Amino acid sequence: KAGVTQTPRYLIKTRGQQVTLSCSPISGHRSVSWYQQTPGQGLQFLFEYFSETQRNKGNFPGRFSGRQFSNSRSEMNVSTLELGDSALYLCASSLYMGNEQFFGPGTRLTVL
Amino acid sequence: GENVEQHPSTLSVQEGDSAVIKCTYSDSASNYFPWYKQELGKRPQLIIDIRSNVGEKKDQRIAVTLNKTAKHFSLHITETQPEDSAVYFCAASSHWNSGGGADGLTFGKGTHLIIQP
Repeated sequence: KAGVTQTPRYLIKTRGQQVTLSCSPISGHRSVSWYQQTPGQGLQFLFEYFSETQRNKGNFPGRFSGRQFSNSRSEMNVSTLELGDSALYLCASSLYMGNEQFFGPGTRLTVL
Repeated sequence: GENVEQHPSTLSVQEGDSAVIKCTYSDSASNYFPWYKQELGKRPQLIIDIRSNVGEKKDQRIAVTLNKTAKHFSLHITETQPEDSAVYFCAASSHWNSGGGADGLTFGKGTHLIIQP
């Protein structure tokens, strides 16, 4: 079974722009969570989607948003990018909410 | 919200020795505790997890123990090998929370495990 995939793998943007990242979960998995990883803050939870609905949200500003499609694929969007948004963005899929989460390879976002 | 503390931040052990990484959590509602291994430039990989109705779980050279009263859990790696070198993260969440859903994982800051040959 194929693992979690994320596109693009690398992205360079400038301050003020917006960006959309994509995540395809493991086949059959219905829950997708998003995390931000930085050297200073570590791994931080952004939000979780299940059945096309955001079920849980971490402590991030409203510039960070997401959505999930009927095939369980998910996208996250960051608007008005700031330098501090430079990070590795990881998505993780699980069969249902509350099950083991399996991570994708991440998207490395650099904001200049 | 939940807060997870992880120690030590760096751990260097001789090949063949054991390694222990400890985590404490703050939210007594947390009931799921996974451990992830992340090699340089790679994705975090789930290596073992434990739920609050279990005190200990083993998988070959890896074991996790949970003390709910003290709110701490530990990862034990025996007979360490060079391929065990990586950053290890503990995490905690509540499955399920009062709203009928699961909380996102709250991670510790990570432990850089170095296996000396």
